[in-house]
Amino acid sequence: EIVMTQSPATLSVSPGERATLSCRASQSVSSNLAWYQQKPGQAPRLLIYGASTRATGIPARFSGSGSGTEFTLTISSLQSEDFAVYYCQQYNNWPLYTFGQGTKLEIK
Amino acid sequence: QVQLVQSGAEVKKPGASVKVSCKASGYTFTSYYMHWVRQAPGQGLEWMGIINPSGGSTSYAQKFQGRVTMTRDTSTSTVYMELSSLRSEDTAVYYCAVSPDGSLDYWGQGTLVTVSS
Repeated sequence: EIVMTQSPATLSVSPGERATLSCRASQSVSSNLAWYQQKPGQAPRLLIYGASTRATGIPARFSGSGSGTEFTLTISSLQSEDFAVYYCQQYNNWPLYTFGQGTKLEIK
Repeated sequence: QVQLVQSGAEVKKPGASVKVSCKASGYTFTSYYMHWVRQAPGQGLEWMGIINPSGGSTSYAQKFQGRVTMTRDTSTSTVYMELSSLRSEDTAVYYCAVSPDGSLDYWGQGTLVTVSS
């Protein structure tokens, strides 16, 4: 099983600042990596797929990078609606998927 | 537009089984794989398994092997997830989601399953 490890567990950032979230895979997942945003009481929403491609309707302030085992989600200028929990997920080991444990992005 | 509508909340006793449904619309049902993901209270997302609505083949996370069964009904565009031998740790929100091309692009609204004596 591919283990996905996200860091940090909690990130405190002020509105308007940049946030950088990390995700590491226990073995290479190529670029088969997605990021999701989840707000309380809601289903997750796809942000990024293929490690760096924004999903439909996702603002340009969200960007993804990386390949192999190291990945980053960057939110360039935090808006109030961006404070949420973020998960990475690999789908390289199809059909067996795994999620990271999540990073909570909170207001500083 | 793609829509996934799940069945309502369930309360079950330990040892019982639960069957959650997910009705798809807005696309060709047999074109996209369907996944089930669960989330225990205050916890992260946990991938449970996948079903190919076209042929019905399935793959499950090792943790759920022997306890989970995913099936589909092509006549109603509905996928089912049945979890047996329920225990308190299975209390969670269960989501269905489809993957047109790997990532989970569309999600159901979630179904809360509570296991309590």
